Amino acid sequence: GENVEQHPSTLSVQEGDSAVIKCTYSDSASNYFPWYKQELGKGPQLIIDIRSNVGEKKDQRIAVTLNKTAKHFSLHITETQPEDSAVYFCAASIGYGGSQGNLIFGKGTKLSVKP
Amino acid sequence: GAVVSQHPSWVICKSGTSVKIECRSLDFQATTMFWYRQFPKQSLMLMATSNEGSKATYEQGVEKDKFLINHASLTLSTLTVTSAHPEDSSFYICSASPGGAITGELFFGEGSRLTVL
Repeated sequence: GENVEQHPSTLSVQEGDSAVIKCTYSDSASNYFPWYKQELGKGPQLIIDIRSNVGEKKDQRIAVTLNKTAKHFSLHITETQPEDSAVYFCAASIGYGGSQGNLIFGKGTKLSVKP
Repeated sequence: GAVVSQHPSWVICKSGTSVKIECRSLDFQATTMFWYRQFPKQSLMLMATSNEGSKATYEQGVEKDKFLINHASLTLSTLTVTSAHPEDSSFYICSASPGGAITGELFFGEGSRLTVL
């Protein structure tokens, strides 16, 4: 089955700096790669996603890149702010929606942005 | 994005009692919902896939008689932790995808923290 590895487990940056979190996946059939932000005591919130037919996607300060050949994808946060501090999870799934949409999650990265 | 609501957000119960957690999709229909369990500082572990009108599909190692799942309508799935014990204490999270959509996004509830005394 699919296995998702995520690094680093913790990341501390100064406000304004960039943060990069990397994930690798094992199943070449995976075609959907979302990133979630989870604040303490809350459920995960989708922040950005990318599909296997796209190499890069950007939404304001957040971008995700996908290398299908190497089977890895990364989250890039620029101009970090203290409110970006949270745990970030990457995930991978095979197929879209419905019962095919169950996600395999990475172990998470705790991002701390110091003011 | 779509909204998924969980209730209760937290619950404390005595050992041996049963606890029901509800997961509702507020602005879309979901033929499939997912239940996860999350221990402190750990990732989400898929417990089961809840299918509207049929039996849930449980992941390996998850006791179906312990964690009863009912998906009676297109907007509601329930997880009942039966005869709860302290080791069942955890953060339970549900997710759902708008039915029939090809977009694939999963939207998560706010989670339910269960503490068994």
